[in-house]
Amino acid sequence: EAQVTQNPRYLITVTGKKLTVTCSQNMNHEYMSWYRQDPGLGLRQIYYSMNVEVTDKGDVPEGYKVSRKEKRNFPLILESPSPNQTSLYFCASSRTDREDGYTFGSGTRLTVV
Amino acid sequence: QKEVEQNSGPLSVPEGAIASLNCTYSDRVSQSFFWYRQYSGKSPELIMSIYSNGDKEDGRFTAQLNKASQYVSLLIRDSQPSDSATYLCAVNGAKGSGNTGKLIFGQGTTLQVKP
Repeated sequence: EAQVTQNPRYLITVTGKKLTVTCSQNMNHEYMSWYRQDPGLGLRQIYYSMNVEVTDKGDVPEGYKVSRKEKRNFPLILESPSPNQTSLYFCASSRTDREDGYTFGSGTRLTVV
Repeated sequence: QKEVEQNSGPLSVPEGAIASLNCTYSDRVSQSFFWYRQYSGKSPELIMSIYSNGDKEDGRFTAQLNKASQYVSLLIRDSQPSDSATYLCAVNGAKGSGNTGKLIFGQGTTLQVKP
């Protein structure tokens, strides 16, 4: 089944404790992206990647890191999480940047206390 | 000015009616436009894409694009209670603008279809 898989689905952590949210897609898509969704603010893009080793900032990159060492994986790293990073996070992938929209993973609900 | 704007709603329509959802965008050279549906607690699901001016139909859904007015709309015919969800408009950055891969979302319109 074609899908984008994120783990974990739920995560509660403490301020300052480094964490990684994993994302993997099995569709051989070139583009991958991370979004966060907050009430009243909608979906905001954190980082995106156009191919292996090629990444760029979205609208809200501060406090996040990403890497794209393999085509299928695009982990999101929070080096020192803070409470304002409590949010619902989505990973997404797309075959192209024009004709295809992103396919989204199931989401990761992160709480930083 | 927000890059992609939608009326947050809720938009309430009776079952069987046509629901009309609207979206405006600010980047005049945007090239690709998408409509997503998101049920509460779920991830966004792509339902329509449109790239050229005019209408594009897929089943009960019709997307309309007017690049001169920077306006995208989604019509849902014969609305069903199962269509009750938040509908997100998304716009892709223009090629050569440095925004390749940057898909920008509106805040979404909540649709309620009443039996």
